[in-house]
Amino acid sequence: EAGVVQSPRYKIIEKKQPVAFWCNPISGHNTLYWYLQNLGQGPELLIRYENEEAVDDSQLPKDRFSAERLKGVDSTLKIQPAELGDSAVYLCASSTTGDAEAFFGQGTRLTVV
Amino acid sequence: ILNVEQSPQSLHVQEGDSTNFTCSFPSSNFYALHWYRWETAKSPEALFVMTLNGDEKKKGRISATLNTKEGYSYLYIKGSQPEDSATYLCALTYGNQFYFGTGTSLTVIP
Repeated sequence: EAGVVQSPRYKIIEKKQPVAFWCNPISGHNTLYWYLQNLGQGPELLIRYENEEAVDDSQLPKDRFSAERLKGVDSTLKIQPAELGDSAVYLCASSTTGDAEAFFGQGTRLTVV
Repeated sequence: ILNVEQSPQSLHVQEGDSTNFTCSFPSSNFYALHWYRWETAKSPEALFVMTLNGDEKKKGRISATLNTKEGYSYLYIKGSQPEDSATYLCALTYGNQFYFGTGTSLTVIP
């Protein structure tokens, strides 16, 4: 069974530029998460989807971040415009339900210069 | 928001030494406690999921215990090997959400 797939693995952009990350969850997993992980800290939830509905986006900085999960499968996370402080690892995870074990992708390491 | 704390933040041990880390949390009101191992450039890998007070899980040289009454979980590694070097994350699930600790970074020195 294929795991959670994220792309790109690494991204370097200049500040004020847009960037997008893509996540393909495990087939059949209804719940999809985007996490932000800063160096030395644990992953912090940005947004959680149940199928195509964003059920928790309270921690998503909506002035510059947006996400979508069309058809309740793949998801994209976008930052526009990127700031230096956005440099971090962006993790995608999926699970069968909100409380079930989550499976993570390898993450996208973003560097904003 | 649940505050999940892990200690120590980082740890260096010699190959063959046994070691343990702590995950502490303020409340027993949660659905499950998860331990993940996150190796550099790889996906976080689930090690254990525990739900009941007194739960003990074991996988090879790694084991974990859960005490919900006092709000902590221990992860033990017996006879550490260089391949055990990773960040070990603890997370609670509560209200359909994961709450992660900051992780313990383990380095096993050959």
